[in-house]
Amino acid sequence: EDQVTQSPEALRLQEGESSSLNCSYTVSGLRGLFWYRQDPGKGPEFLFTLYSAGEEKEKERLKATLTKKESFLHITAPKPEDSATYLCAGWVYAGGTSYGKLTFGQGTILTVHP
Amino acid sequence: EPEVTQTPSHQVTQMGQEVILRCVPISNHLYFYWYRQILGQKVEFLVSFYNNEISEKSEIFDDQFSVERPDGSNFTLKIRSTKLEDSAMYFCASRRTGYQETQYFGPGTRLLVL
Repeated sequence: EDQVTQSPEALRLQEGESSSLNCSYTVSGLRGLFWYRQDPGKGPEFLFTLYSAGEEKEKERLKATLTKKESFLHITAPKPEDSATYLCAGWVYAGGTSYGKLTFGQGTILTVHP
Repeated sequence: EPEVTQTPSHQVTQMGQEVILRCVPISNHLYFYWYRQILGQKVEFLVSFYNNEISEKSEIFDDQFSVERPDGSNFTLKIRSTKLEDSAMYFCASRRTGYQETQYFGPGTRLLVL
């Protein structure tokens, strides 16, 4: 069964305290690994796509990396406005009539205190 | 910047009633999706739609659910006879083309079945 698992479930940081979120996946037919940010009561907001092991992408204080079995979202010197749930999702292509779908992890709730 | 829009933002209905959730995908996008998120749980795939037909559906998407693209802009999800367990946040998503391109999500419709 395709699985995406995120850890930790919740992370509390002080402003400026860097850390990393983990996403491990056991997905057959994985064609990409996506990171989204979700604020309470809102839809997922796209952050990054990673397609191959060794790939890295950066945006402001966030940096995403990918290995063959997991991805990390590194947060450097976070600010309170970085507080949100960070979702990892595998892009799975099942073949046949499927054009692919996202399989999500349960998310990491990040709280950054001033 | 183009975005996916959804209406209504909140819907309260009685068990057994029919509901229609509406979405306007990004205008040049060709692939459309519905996902749902029960409170405190993962975002889960319901159905994908391309070229005016369903391309893939999950086990959740039973005969009570249907999707339609009634015109060139709207994409709807109908639940014929709602159950208590249908209470969730429903997200519409769209992507332009290609098997690995980013899906962009709408803000969601919060459905409460009483």
